[in-house]
Amino acid sequence: DAKTTQPPSMDCAEGRAANLPCNHSTISGNEYVYWYRQIHSQGPQYIIHGLKNNETNEMASLIITEDRKSSTLILPHATLRDTAVYYCIVSPYTGTASKLTFGTGTRLQVTL
Amino acid sequence: AAGVIQSPRHLIKEKRETATLKCYPIPRHDTVYWYQQGPGQDPQFLISFYEKMQSDKGSIPDRFSAQQFSDYHSELNMSSLELGDSALYFCASSLGRTYTDTQYFGPGTRLTVL
Repeated sequence: DAKTTQPPSMDCAEGRAANLPCNHSTISGNEYVYWYRQIHSQGPQYIIHGLKNNETNEMASLIITEDRKSSTLILPHATLRDTAVYYCIVSPYTGTASKLTFGTGTRLQVTL
Repeated sequence: AAGVIQSPRHLIKEKRETATLKCYPIPRHDTVYWYQQGPGQDPQFLISFYEKMQSDKGSIPDRFSAQQFSDYHSELNMSSLELGDSALYFCASSLGRTYTDTQYFGPGTRLTVL
């Protein structure tokens, strides 16, 4: 599976957009980009995923560069409840039960 | 919406004892995954099942075994517990044979080995 690189920590003011970068320069053609987050010791929470097109849902937007070597997760209006560790994971679609390989993630701190 | 259910939520055991963790996937989900998260660490994949068959295996100790039953719930059995087994154990489920395997995690079981 492709390896990802994320900044260890970021700060964001409440109400502002949080832009979390992820580098995955060795991504393969069949690998999706997933974003999960973990709020202190809770189960990881799925946020969004994409293959090559930009994606948006009620939680966030995912921007993937044209060469697919990097992506950015955007939380449009961060709140204190968005404080969490955010994991960028690339994982191939194999048809069944593809494991998630968690890296060290980015610890996002949202402040007043 | 229904979520993944894990039981028990907390478990305290002595060294060399055994423990059984249970996972009930989201209704209609046929794939179950187990992850272990040690103190201050990131989640690590242990094992997965699709349609009651083992699908993939990660760094799961030989002292651990798991299975998925006909109703798709799964159990992780841990024997000869060691202090280092103290961790959060997460179960996740997904709907297999879709174009992606988006996994939905349960709240976890916190295992403490004394």
